[in-house]
Amino acid sequence: DAGITQSPRHKVTETGTPVTLRCHQTENHRYMYWYRQDPGHGLRLIHYSYGVKDTDKGEVSDGYSVSRSKTEDFLLTLESATSSQTSVYFCAISERSYEQYFGPGTRLTVT
Amino acid sequence: AQSVTQLDSQVPVFEEAPVELRCNYSSSVSVYLFWYVQYPNQGLQLLLKYLSGSTLVKSINGFEAEFNKSQTSFHLRKPSVHISDTAEYFCAVNWRGNSGGSNYKLTFGKGTLLTVNP
Repeated sequence: DAGITQSPRHKVTETGTPVTLRCHQTENHRYMYWYRQDPGHGLRLIHYSYGVKDTDKGEVSDGYSVSRSKTEDFLLTLESATSSQTSVYFCAISERSYEQYFGPGTRLTVT
Repeated sequence: AQSVTQLDSQVPVFEEAPVELRCNYSSSVSVYLFWYVQYPNQGLQLLLKYLSGSTLVKSINGFEAEFNKSQTSFHLRKPSVHISDTAEYFCAVNWRGNSGGSNYKLTFGKGTLLTVNP
């Protein structure tokens, strides 16, 4: 299995609070991704990174920001969490082979 | 816009029956194709992939998928399913013509829940 960890694995937070999710890899892969998974929507890309300090938006980026200061870490921040951001968040990594490897996920509940 | 369609959101079958999970994508330009499997409360695992070469690709646990360029399809099949195959299956596409960093993005279908009943 690819060395990808996500933290925390579960989080409950209140509307309006900031939340940061962490993805950590030990594979030295260049590309990292954040997705959210919701019933009936499959996986939707939030943001991705193609190198240290190089990031770009995905299809559902509103309300989210990311940072990547080291190859191994990719942070997803919800500046002010809303109930619509209740979801399961997955991090993924890839190198030139294009297939992505996924972390175990973080279940976020915004009350 | 580029899109991936999984025609069935749920597929119930009996154990040892054959199954086909359908996947179609929107454009016939050069693509890489993937099937992922997600077991309950877990992340996604790569099941099989088509990058080039033979249009029929196989996984280690008996699944296979065939790339059909003219029909822009990549259907997943298994001749005899087991209870342990119960999971959600996602088709994903990488469009090779995209530029820069977006060249490494995948577009996912909405998933098909395969339920194998005894």
